[in-house]
Amino acid sequence: QPVLTQPPSVSGAPGQTVTISCTGTRSNTVHWYQHLPGTAPRLLIYSNNNRPSGVPDRFSGSKSGTSASLAITGVQAEDEADYYCQSYYSSLSASVFGGGTKLTVL
Amino acid sequence: QVQLQESGPGLVKPSGTLSLTCVVSGGSITSNNWWSWVRQPPGKGLEWIGQIYYSGSTHYNPSLESRVTISLDKSKNQFSLNLTSVTAADTAVYFCVREVPSGINWFDPWGQGTLVTVSS
Repeated sequence: QPVLTQPPSVSGAPGQTVTISCTGTRSNTVHWYQHLPGTAPRLLIYSNNNRPSGVPDRFSGSKSGTSASLAITGVQAEDEADYYCQSYYSSLSASVFGGGTKLTVL
Repeated sequence: QVQLQESGPGLVKPSGTLSLTCVVSGGSITSNNWWSWVRQPPGKGLEWIGQIYYSGSTHYNPSLESRVTISLDKSKNQFSLNLTSVTAADTAVYFCVREVPSGINWFDPWGQGTLVTVSS
């Protein structure tokens, strides 16, 4: 069982705002990845709320307490993918991932 | 721009050893980064396997530590994964990744991944 908890799936119509939660992060920093099956996962957000160059600004991240969120404002068909949060658990001495959330664009 | 490419057998017999190599291009493996392996079993999420620094320092996921070895070859700018005593549960897509040092490290970029199936 993943130590970080994400909803298995979310959906939204084009143009809507979709939010994906990640709980169990403790007070640690969280990063987010986008993964289209068959391709290399892509870093989407690092250190809670920072976008690497090339990531559209419709993607944003936030963190509050032991939870983090990824928001996609104005979701597009090309955003249909799996999304993973990631952090580190010192108690496990390991980087940990959430179970992943499949985004369906209706 | 750093790129990573995995290679290795796509089929390994149960109780055998899974061996993969990751070639790093567009950058030096001796840069201030960790180099890691992450896997994804079919239909499941991502699991961090372990990491290596160019000095040779390694850290492994405790759940796999007894079976995992990660090594690197500076002359070839590549690093490798060995996983012993494999079972069907080790069937997965294996990714090699650069792990960027930070308070909590992040993974970027990733290789395309290679599917390894454990079957007789």
